[in-house]
Amino acid sequence: AQSVAQPEDQVNVAEGNPLTVKCTYSVSGNPYLFWYVQYPNRGLQFLLKYITGDNLVKGSYGFEAEFNKSQTSFHLKKPSALVSDSALYFCAVRDQTGANNLFFGTGTRLTVIP
Amino acid sequence: EPEVTQTPSHQVTQMGQEVILRCVPISNHLYFYWYRQILGQKVEFLVSFYNNEISEKSEIFDDQFSVERPDGSNFTLKIRSTKLEDSAMYFCASSRNQQGNTEAFFGQGTRLTVV
Repeated sequence: AQSVAQPEDQVNVAEGNPLTVKCTYSVSGNPYLFWYVQYPNRGLQFLLKYITGDNLVKGSYGFEAEFNKSQTSFHLKKPSALVSDSALYFCAVRDQTGANNLFFGTGTRLTVIP
Repeated sequence: EPEVTQTPSHQVTQMGQEVILRCVPISNHLYFYWYRQILGQKVEFLVSFYNNEISEKSEIFDDQFSVERPDGSNFTLKIRSTKLEDSAMYFCASSRNQQGNTEAFFGQGTRLTVV
């Protein structure tokens, strides 16, 4: 069975500080991993994905994520947070050999404090 | 930038009534989805649609649900007889193809409230 865990419902970080939003996953095969962001009254916006290759992937708005197979993690990071990064962040996984639908985590609300 | 659009943004309906949620996927996309998010819970997969037929569906997608692509642009989700527990945010999504490494693009959602 596929699943995603986002252990923190809420993350607060000061503007200019680095941020990390955690995600761990469980799949039977190899994963495709995705991060989406949801701003108020907006849909889920794609940020970045891991398919294969380099464990560090870079995405939109200066975000990056590190795939760690041994820890089954795909944490989202940004070196310097902006107030405008405040939003709801969702991690999602697909099993490369399984169903094509995405399995989402419960989301983490990031608040960047000015 | 092309985007997935959904209408209406908010729908209130009485229990037992039929509702149709509408979506216009990105024009050159071929693979369409519906997901839902009950308040405070995770986003859950309902159904995927490709080549005018359902590709996959979850346990949630029972006989009360149906999807249709009535023309070249719209993709609809119909709930025949709504229940209170159908209250949720419903997201439509589309992707260029059905390959697992292709990201899906989501609409802004329709908030369905069943009273």
